[in-house]
Amino acid sequence: EAGVVQSPRYKIIEKKQPVAFWCNPISGHNTLYWYLQNLGQGPELLIRYENEEAVDDSQLPKDRFSAERLKGVDSTLKIQPAELGDSAVYLCASSLDSSTDTQYFGPGTRLTVL
Amino acid sequence: SQKIEQNSEALNIQEGKTATLTCNYTNYSPAYLQWYRQDPGRGPVFLLLIRENEKEKRKERLKVTFDTTLKQSLFHITASQPADSATYLCALPPDSNYQLIWGAGTKLIIKP
Repeated sequence: EAGVVQSPRYKIIEKKQPVAFWCNPISGHNTLYWYLQNLGQGPELLIRYENEEAVDDSQLPKDRFSAERLKGVDSTLKIQPAELGDSAVYLCASSLDSSTDTQYFGPGTRLTVL
Repeated sequence: SQKIEQNSEALNIQEGKTATLTCNYTNYSPAYLQWYRQDPGRGPVFLLLIRENEKEKRKERLKVTFDTTLKQSLFHITASQPADSATYLCALPPDSNYQLIWGAGTKLIIKP
């Protein structure tokens, strides 16, 4: 069974440039999460989708971040414009059983903003 | 709000010994608590889930305990191996929402 797929794995951009990350969750997983992880820290939730509906985006900086999950499968997270402080690893996860929220993570995208 | 505390200092253990990692939370006891392993450059991988009515859970060389009085979970790896070296994260639901909040993780180093 294929795991959660993310691309790209690495991205280096200059500040004020736009950037987008893509995630394909495990087949059949209706819940999809985007997290941000800084070095030495745990993941911090940015947004959670149930199918195509964003049910928790309270931690998403909406002035520059946006996300979509068309058709309730793949998802894209965008930053425009990127700032130096956005440098981090962006993780995508999916889950099947929402009652215990066991999550399956992709490898992440390491973003460096210069 | 609920906070999770894990030892930020790396834990160095000799191969073959038991490694014990601690996860403390500050407020109400969650319905369950999860432990994940994270290797460098990879996303976390689910290991074990323990519910509030379970005192102990085992899976091969792994054992997790959950003490709601102490507001603490302990994660044990017996007969540790260098391949067990990784960062171990605990996570729990902050409330009834279906999401997790995460500790910062403890880096475990198993020396041959």
